[in-house]
Amino acid sequence: EDQVTQSPEALRLQEGESSSLNCSYTVSGLRGLFWYRQDPGKGPEFLFTLYSAGEEKEKERLKATLTKKESFLHITAPKPEDSATYLCAVQARDYKLSFGAGTTVTVRA
Amino acid sequence: GAGVSQSPSNKVTEKGKDVELRCDPISGHTALYWYRQSLGQGLEFLIYFQGNSAPDKSGLPSDRFSAERTGGSVSTLTIQRTQQEDSAVYLCASSFVAIQETQYFGPGTRLLVL
Repeated sequence: EDQVTQSPEALRLQEGESSSLNCSYTVSGLRGLFWYRQDPGKGPEFLFTLYSAGEEKEKERLKATLTKKESFLHITAPKPEDSATYLCAVQARDYKLSFGAGTTVTVRA
Repeated sequence: GAGVSQSPSNKVTEKGKDVELRCDPISGHTALYWYRQSLGQGLEFLIYFQGNSAPDKSGLPSDRFSAERTGGSVSTLTIQRTQQEDSAVYLCASSFVAIQETQYFGPGTRLLVL
């Protein structure tokens, strides 16, 4: 069974304090790893897709990287508007996404 | 362009009643998914539709849950004889195809069973 573990569960940052979120996975035949952002009361918002080890994607203050066992989401110089829950999901042999429990990030001004 | 839409946004019902949740996918997307997000738990897969193929219902938690997709577009998730443990956020997603394509999510329907 596919397993996705995210750490830490919660992260409190000061504005401008860079940090990283971890997503460890155990799957047979990774097809893709997806990062989403979810704000309270809303659906997940797509951020990145990574397909193979060594791949990196960037968007504004966010950078996602992928190895054979884990993915990192780096937040550089975060702002309060980066506060959200960040979800990691993997797609393996079929089309279903298996999600981690998420990391809730709070950025204080 | 328009994203995935879901209705109602919120639904409060009494235990034992039936509810219907609606999903309108992004135009042109052939794949449609339903997930459930319970308090303190991650998103769990419920059901998947791809074109005119038979749906994958392997994630449905009981036979009280069913879903259909009419004309390859709008989908309805039905929960019969609701129970308190059915309280959750029900999320719909769609994509162009299935494998390796990004799934785009709707805002969800928040269901509370009293």
